[in-house]
Amino acid sequence: DGGITQSPKYLFRKEGQNVTLSCEQNLNHDAMYWYRQDPGQGLRLIYYSQIVNDFQKGDIAEGYSVSREKKESFPLTVTSAQKNPTAFYLCASIGGLKNTEAFFGQGTRLTVV
Amino acid sequence: AQSVTQLDSQVPVFEEAPVELRCNYSSSVSVYLFWYVQYPNQGLQLLLKYLSGSTLVESINGFEAEFNKSQTSFHLRKPSVHISDTAEYFCAVSGRQAGTALIFGKGTTLSVSS
Repeated sequence: DGGITQSPKYLFRKEGQNVTLSCEQNLNHDAMYWYRQDPGQGLRLIYYSQIVNDFQKGDIAEGYSVSREKKESFPLTVTSAQKNPTAFYLCASIGGLKNTEAFFGQGTRLTVV
Repeated sequence: AQSVTQLDSQVPVFEEAPVELRCNYSSSVSVYLFWYVQYPNQGLQLLLKYLSGSTLVESINGFEAEFNKSQTSFHLRKPSVHISDTAEYFCAVSGRQAGTALIFGKGTTLSVSS
């Protein structure tokens, strides 16, 4: 089945540690996005990539890093510089009619302990 | 750049009542508009979208939204809601130019009770 897969579903991190969230898609979409979701804040854009080996910062990129070495994969690293990393992280790829529809993964809930 | 304002953070309604979830957007260029729905602890699913043509768009489960360019609005409506419509609803906008980011509003929690 075609889709977008995020792993793990739940992730715990100690303060001061970097952690990488995985996002893989087999939809053959060029564009991929990372959002952060906090209660009452909606989805805030962290990074997005329109094509392999290229990505742009979103509204809240500080403390995060990404790579796009393969079309299928867009991993997000939450670094120790991110002051409030506890959140629900959503990855999406863009396809459909006129490449406008976002297809979301099931999310990763990151908790700093 | 684009931005989205969802005017209500929570909307409680009784089953079979009509509902309207309000969305206004801001953009200096022509846009595409979307409504997404999110059930607890899941990703988002596309509910409906406006790309071009008729300003009234419909979903398969009875929701509709109307693009109003003069009022820069894209309100979501349903004439009769069900318990199963309880979820969080997000309005989103992107510019028509390729490479424009997809920007979401803060969401509206629709709570349907019997």
